[in-house]
Amino acid sequence: SQQGEEDPQALSIQEGENATMNCSYKTSINNLQWYRQNSGRGLVHLILIRSNEREKHSGRLRVTLDTSKKSSSLLITASRAADTASYFCATGKAAGNKLTFGGGTRVLVKP
Amino acid sequence: GAVVSQHPSWVICKSGTSVKIECRSLDFQATTMFWYRQFPKQSLMLMATSNEGSKATYEQGVEKDKFLINHASLTLSTLTVTSAHPEDSSFYICSARAVAGESGEQYFGPGTRLTVT
Repeated sequence: SQQGEEDPQALSIQEGENATMNCSYKTSINNLQWYRQNSGRGLVHLILIRSNEREKHSGRLRVTLDTSKKSSSLLITASRAADTASYFCATGKAAGNKLTFGGGTRVLVKP
Repeated sequence: GAVVSQHPSWVICKSGTSVKIECRSLDFQATTMFWYRQFPKQSLMLMATSNEGSKATYEQGVEKDKFLINHASLTLSTLTVTSAHPEDSSFYICSARAVAGESGEQYFGPGTRLTVT
């Protein structure tokens, strides 16, 4: 079953704008990861944030984690048409090694 | 580094036949591999977890006799869809982890699109 719920399900923005998507989960986690998937392709790992971290940056990506609210956000700054993809959060529990994926956010960046 | 390949990338088969999908870690040894399936415009659903040299652990609702998983080496896992039916048509994705134990980054293959006619 899916642990993460993502919001919004779809997002359409103009190139250059920022894109923000949120992920909520239900149980305690060891880490939370964000992945990108281009249509019909595999997943590309973007960033991993551990439960004791609050914020992480990687290039134009900024991820926050609020364990008290059981939520995370992914911000893509200065978006490009090439950022058009589906973005998934996935949570990893401390006791196991499985990832549970959220429903995903489909992002369309218009040139 | 950390490249995972899948073969084939797409396959069409007739109902009732079996199809084998391979997942390989090309530049690292994968102690654990995962198999997911994904329906159009939906998220990934974990099917099973396989550790090298041991039996796979299947998620609830996944038929182990229908989806045979073999993880015979540290760089290869296979998923065989037996007696395939049209409802098995889906995108199958594998991933691999190098470090056993606690959760960590998984490296995903490019996926295999299975169409059963």
